[in-house]
Amino acid sequence: DSGVTQTPKHLITATGQRVTLRCSPRSGDLSVYWYQQSLDQGLQFLIQYYNGEERAKGNILERFSAQQFPDLHSELNLSSLELGDSALYFCASSVTGGGNQPQHFGDGTRLSIL
Amino acid sequence: GQNIDQPTEMTATEGAIVQINCTYQTSGFNGLFWYQQHAGEAPTFLSYNVLDGLEEKGRFSSFLSRSKGYSYLLLKELQMKDSASYLCAVDQAGTALIFGKGTTLSVSS
Repeated sequence: DSGVTQTPKHLITATGQRVTLRCSPRSGDLSVYWYQQSLDQGLQFLIQYYNGEERAKGNILERFSAQQFPDLHSELNLSSLELGDSALYFCASSVTGGGNQPQHFGDGTRLSIL
Repeated sequence: GQNIDQPTEMTATEGAIVQINCTYQTSGFNGLFWYQQHAGEAPTFLSYNVLDGLEEKGRFSSFLSRSKGYSYLLLKELQMKDSASYLCAVDQAGTALIFGKGTTLSVSS
C-alpha cells in the first residue's frame, strides 16, 4: 500500500460526458502528479501540483483540467470525453516534488468510454 | 527531443539473472528511476541513480552511466513473482518523470 488513494477504481461513461477523478496523497506529501497510461503510449505525464499551485504541465489536453485543494487532495477533470480517453489514470505523490524523490503511485482509476 | 528506449519484452527462467537495459536522450537529467509494475496495478519504486555507478538493493541492482545515457536494472535469483513490467524513468527537470514504455519480463519455471 503506497498510501496514495484514488477514487473511483473504475469508471464507465459515454462519449461527450464529463468525469472527475480524485486523489489523496500520502500523509506529508505536498506534491501531486497525474499520469495517463494507455496500452500503446505507456505512462504519460499530465500535470503536477505543489502545495496547491500548478508546478509543471505535460501532455495535458485542453479538455482536461486539474486542481489541488488546501487539504492537498487533487482532482482531475476530464470533459467532452472521446473514445481515445479510455486509459488508466494514475496519481502519484512525493514529499516536495523536487528531484531525487521517488514518486509513490496510487492504484489508478480505469476509465472506459463507450 | 526526449527519448527513452527499453526492450519491449524479455524472458528468463527461475533462478536466473536478467539485465534490462535503458538508454535515454533528454534535455535535462536530474536522476533515473526504475519502477516495477504488475499488470493492472500501480508502479512501485525500485531504485534511483543520479551518480555513475552501481546501486545494490537485495536481489535488484541498478547501474548508471551519465556520459553514455545508459542504465540497466539487474535482477538476480529470479522468482515467478518478478514477472512484471519494468519502467525506466528520467527526472529531467526535478519535477515530473519521463517514462519509457517499459519492458515486460516473463519468468518461467
